[in-house]
Amino acid sequence: DAGVTQSPTHLIKTRGQQVTLRCSPKSGHDTVSWYQQALGQGPQFIFQYYEEEERQRGNFPDRFSGHQFPNYSSELNVNALLLGDSALYLCASSLIIGGETQYFGPGTRLLVL
Amino acid sequence: DQQVKQNSPSLSVQEGRISILNCDYTNSMFDYFLWYKKYPAEGPTFLISISSIKDKNEDGRFTVFLNKSAKHLSLHIVPSQPGDSAVYFCAASAGGAGSYQLTFGKGTKLSVIP
Repeated sequence: DAGVTQSPTHLIKTRGQQVTLRCSPKSGHDTVSWYQQALGQGPQFIFQYYEEEERQRGNFPDRFSGHQFPNYSSELNVNALLLGDSALYLCASSLIIGGETQYFGPGTRLLVL
Repeated sequence: DQQVKQNSPSLSVQEGRISILNCDYTNSMFDYFLWYKKYPAEGPTFLISISSIKDKNEDGRFTVFLNKSAKHLSLHIVPSQPGDSAVYFCAASAGGAGSYQLTFGKGTKLSVIP
């Protein structure tokens, strides 16, 4: 049973560029959430997708956007990258009803120079 | 404003002894609490959870205690093993953990000394 997968594992970008990160949820899961983990901090919620719609959003600017596809996989897009966007980006999948937890992928490490 | 706080950045424990990791929260709407373990270069791994209708939940060597009046929870690991060395995150949700955002603490790095 494949768990949550994310790609790429590492990425280096320069300020002002745009980036797209990808996530495939655990088999059978219908909900995908994205988190940003800065160095020395806990993960911070960015947004959650269900039925291809954003249903919850954390305190992140509009530069952060996402998408969910009919197969439940998801993308996180960040425009106009800032140095402060350097972080580990984590994807988590779950069941919208009855899910006891969110299962996390290994993350994508983004470095903005 | 941190709604979930883990005030101990690190903890060292001898192998075989008990590890106690603490977590405090401020949001009264939180009703579901989880502990995750994280190794370097991996995503967080779910350990154990507890609903606000309970005050204790056990799973093998791991027990989570919840004190709602004090808005405090703790994770006990008995006996501690070297493989338990990792960063432990406390997380909280205002609703089902599968359908609502998780709010995390900053983590406690546990070192179990052989």
